Amino acid sequence: GEQVEQLPSILRVQEGSSASINCTYENSASNYFPWYKQEPGENPKLIIDIRSNMERKQTQGLIVLLDKKAKRFSLHITDTQPGDSAMYFCAASASNMGYKLTFGTGTSLLVDP
Amino acid sequence: ETAVFQTPNYHVTQVGNEVSFNCKQTLGHDTMYWYKQDSKKLLKIMFSYNNKQLIVNETVPRRFSPQSSDKAHLNLRIKSVEPEDSAVYLCASSFTGGSERLFFGHGTKLSVL
Repeated sequence: GEQVEQLPSILRVQEGSSASINCTYENSASNYFPWYKQEPGENPKLIIDIRSNMERKQTQGLIVLLDKKAKRFSLHITDTQPGDSAMYFCAASASNMGYKLTFGTGTSLLVDP
Repeated sequence: ETAVFQTPNYHVTQVGNEVSFNCKQTLGHDTMYWYKQDSKKLLKIMFSYNNKQLIVNETVPRRFSPQSSDKAHLNLRIKSVEPEDSAVYLCASSFTGGSERLFFGHGTKLSVL
């Protein structure tokens, strides 16, 4: 099956700075890489995703990069705000392992005002 | 807005008891999932159903048994709960395939005394 490693587990930044979270995966057939944000007491929600036919995607202060050769993908949050404080999860799935999204171990992001 | 409904929100029980959790989605999705989120926030898939058919059955103890009456409902029964079953059980749904957005419910928090 797929294994997804995520680092760092804890990330603390100052408001206005950028934050980066990195993930690696094992299954070279993985072709879908979403990122979920989970605020305290809430359910995980999709914030951005990237498919294997892209190397970069950007939306509303979020940038995701995908390096298929290195089996690595990352999330970059630019101009962080206190509201960005939450758990972030990367995930990966492969079309040949349908119906199964494997999540990373999570990153607790704290943005200090 | 919530479109994946889980009941109950919380459940406290004793070792050896049986518990049942319910999940319903109103998004018209054809795939539903059970994820377990432990105290360290790790998200692990347990089961997924596609159109009432069990598709993914991860290595979980046999005391866990999912049930699906139709593609909008997915229940989880745990016979004879153990202390390590204490966790948040998250139901999710999506359209077919492993590369579709998951919508999560708010979870059922199980505490086993």
